[in-house]
Amino acid sequence: EPEVTQTPSHQVTQMGQEVILRCVPISNHLYFYWYRQILGQKVEFLVSFYNNEISEKSEIFDDQFSVERPDGSNFTLKIRSTKLEDSAMYFCASTGIWETQYFGPGTRLLVL
Amino acid sequence: DQQVKQNSPSLSVQEGRISILNCDYTNSMFDYFLWYKKYPAEGPTFLISISSIKDKNEDGRFTVFLNKSAKHLSLHIVPSQPGDSAVYFCAASPSNAGGTSYGKLTFGQGTILTVHP
Repeated sequence: EPEVTQTPSHQVTQMGQEVILRCVPISNHLYFYWYRQILGQKVEFLVSFYNNEISEKSEIFDDQFSVERPDGSNFTLKIRSTKLEDSAMYFCASTGIWETQYFGPGTRLLVL
Repeated sequence: DQQVKQNSPSLSVQEGRISILNCDYTNSMFDYFLWYKKYPAEGPTFLISISSIKDKNEDGRFTVFLNKSAKHLSLHIVPSQPGDSAVYFCAASPSNAGGTSYGKLTFGQGTILTVHP
């Protein structure tokens, strides 16, 4: 069964460093999403991406965040200068046109 | 932001009995609702969904009921099994012309279900 994959599974970084989280969506999907879940809190939407551009973003997704689909298979989330409060599980999701969103296993980001 | 609320942080049920998980929403723009199941260290896994044009959707042991006037939905698991023990998230979104979820999902806080043997 096709699945969304994410790398790395865990990332530890120093405050102020840049991180790139990678996702490989399901191959025939067209819509891509990033969500995050801070420990003990609900899963929150960050950004959606369609046709090589951002279609919607939340208030969390400020200038420190960016997304890219560099090669037609990967979908990346970059945080330019990480803060302590960026520590969370980051989930990538993808969907086709008439489908529900399928989530990857997540990347646990810890900012020290 | 409390657009989707799951008021019970946890639920404990005996194996074989019914588990009922509840969810309330406030945003009238939501017309597609989903339940996801999540195990520790894994991503949310889609379980079952319902469009606002229906009031019930059933898939095996899982049934979702929607009361649109009360802005309330529930997930029934019958019979409950120990393998059902997980965090259950209710999520909501607008729908597209095809009647499925469209755009971002708004999640509830989750309910931890424990099914005892």
